[in-house]
Amino acid sequence: DADVTQTPRNRITKTGKRIMLECSQTKGHDRMYWYRQDPGLGLRLIYYSFDVKDINKGEISDGYSVSRQAQAKFSLSLESAIPNQTALYFCATSDPRTGGADTQYFGPGTRLTVL
Amino acid sequence: LAKTTQPISMDSYEGQEVNITCSHNNIATNDYITWYQQFPSQGPRFIIQGYKTKVTNEVASLFIPADRKSSTLSLPRVSLSDTAVYYCLVPSGAGSYQLTFGKGTKLSVIP
Repeated sequence: DADVTQTPRNRITKTGKRIMLECSQTKGHDRMYWYRQDPGLGLRLIYYSFDVKDINKGEISDGYSVSRQAQAKFSLSLESAIPNQTALYFCATSDPRTGGADTQYFGPGTRLTVL
Repeated sequence: LAKTTQPISMDSYEGQEVNITCSHNNIATNDYITWYQQFPSQGPRFIIQGYKTKVTNEVASLFIPADRKSSTLSLPRVSLSDTAVYYCLVPSGAGSYQLTFGKGTKLSVIP
């Protein structure tokens, strides 16, 4: 979805380096998410945020941190990257619905390689 | 927590109707069933959502029996561009936002 952008799109880094992945959205949604996807597997939730002051851990938050700088921006940081964090990372947004599950809108992904 | 089970892969010829069935035996009373589509190296895209009976949009139909323990995504007259992974999701946490993406069903459309 072009309304959700991620930078960088590709990144190669070395073990121990700090790296930040950024996500911006123009959809005006309050809820934002970070997922990772490993080859042949589904997506796993890392962190999610319901508004600027709300941050929650997901299924696999160890080794990651996030910052919600504004409604439109949600950054994911790897404080000290390790090779098993090599994956495809997706940011998503949603708005709460009355009735039904949120529809999540995903960015194009960031392919991260940790050597 | 409602766990979903769906076939790992399916093949279909162009022009055929494809039905992908997902089981969710422990679905909660208030849970909706949502399907997403993912192309290689792209983020998932919402296809359709339903609670019971039948839902249809411009892309697909979703059939949900009365007991809601399963659902079937129906793609009419598939084309090569429908080759993708299809995920069946039921909320996994205390709220509709916790979506657990399993491995999905990899649909390959053959010319």
